[in-house]
Amino acid sequence: GQQLNQSPQSMFIQEGEDVSMNCTSSSIFNTWLWYKQDPGEGPVLLIALYKAGELTSNGRLTAQFGITRKDSFLNISASIPSDVGIYFCAGHSVATGNQFYFGTGTSLTVIP
Amino acid sequence: GAVVSQHPSWVICKSGTSVKIECRSLDFQATTMFWYRQFPKQSLMLMATSNEGSKATYEQGVEKDKFLINHASLTLSTLTVTSAHPEDSSFYICSARSASGGYEQYFGPGTRLTVT
Repeated sequence: GQQLNQSPQSMFIQEGEDVSMNCTSSSIFNTWLWYKQDPGEGPVLLIALYKAGELTSNGRLTAQFGITRKDSFLNISASIPSDVGIYFCAGHSVATGNQFYFGTGTSLTVIP
Repeated sequence: GAVVSQHPSWVICKSGTSVKIECRSLDFQATTMFWYRQFPKQSLMLMATSNEGSKATYEQGVEKDKFLINHASLTLSTLTVTSAHPEDSSFYICSARSASGGYEQYFGPGTRLTVT
């Protein structure tokens, strides 16, 4: 199935720095979701976006639904060590039924 | 809210045996559940979508006779790996979509399967 392009693939940052990652698709989506996965665990939903241009925050996390509906962005401000993990985007379109398409993941390492 | 459990969390079995993995939505009803497979350092690969009371829809390349899915109730779906082989060793994760909610999927903690 379709896989979304996520970038960067990995990031190594100092604690306290801000983080930005994005996800792009060749198709238009109606819903974008952002997940965080810790090693050996299932992904945890961070933010859900439903409208083009929508900007939603969850604590230090902010995500945006791109105007073109083909991309989404996730920002993490003032990173802390527990932000370490793999971040996945997921896109859904009514036209493709119930299926979500997942991004390739961004691995984040925070150096204390 | 929106908690999904999986059992077992890890299992080791011998080649040729079958293994059943359970996925339960604990505090909501899930009309749709999804089964994924994940290899180390890779993204999630959708195996099948299961709707309560109907047959699962399998993704291309996934053998439905090998990966049996049953979604018998609004809170339980099971994945049975039949006649397991070492190449079936992987991390299997289920997710559930609420019957009353939007399109969000809530994931279980995953099951690590090792076939020896």
